[in-house]
Amino acid sequence: AQKVTQAQTEISVVEKEDVTLDCVYETRDTTYYLFWYKQPPSGELVFLIRRNSFDEQNEISGRYSWNFQKSTSSFNFTITASQVVDSAVYFCALSEGNYGQNFVFGPGTRLSVLP
Amino acid sequence: KAGVTQTPRYLIKTRGQQVTLSCSPISGHRSVSWYQQTPGQGLQFLFEYFSETQRNKGNFPGRFSGRQFSNSRSEMNVSTLELGDSALYLCASSLDPGPGQSAKNIQYFGAGTRLSVL
Repeated sequence: AQKVTQAQTEISVVEKEDVTLDCVYETRDTTYYLFWYKQPPSGELVFLIRRNSFDEQNEISGRYSWNFQKSTSSFNFTITASQVVDSAVYFCALSEGNYGQNFVFGPGTRLSVLP
Repeated sequence: KAGVTQTPRYLIKTRGQQVTLSCSPISGHRSVSWYQQTPGQGLQFLFEYFSETQRNKGNFPGRFSGRQFSNSRSEMNVSTLELGDSALYLCASSLDPGPGQSAKNIQYFGAGTRLSVL
């Protein structure tokens, strides 16, 4: 069975600090997809990134970067120079198979960036 | 391009009643999934519809049901409401063009319907 663990329930940082959100997943499939979503107070989940199991290349997008390591089953997310607008709940998710429609979400990490 | 639209945004019901929630996917998206979000259980997958057929189903009782129309709009229904059904219900749509094109399987979410059962 697939499972996603986000060990950090809540993190508080001061603006401009770097912060890393951890995600560890479990799956028996060789084909799977990993996602990060952001949920601001408005409630809507905002898609941030998707990675498939065959692509371990790390990615950087502006202040965001992702580190995917199959050897440790981790897909960590780093925000560089955090801003107050980054305050939200961040979810890591896993979907299996070629269709990958059945998502399993981690419990989420609530990030508070203080001015 | 309009995003995923869910109506209503807020709903208050009493135990034993039934409720219907609506979701309009992004234009051109064929797959619609529903999730329940509660503080205790987090985000849980309810079911997914594709071409008017339920393709995947989570572990929820039969009181939770859904359907999809030919225009890909979807509704979910909860009958005989219980206090524990109070939650944020999120709908997501994806393009899902078919086998071998899973690169399009990113799910985009609506703002949700917050259901309170009294």
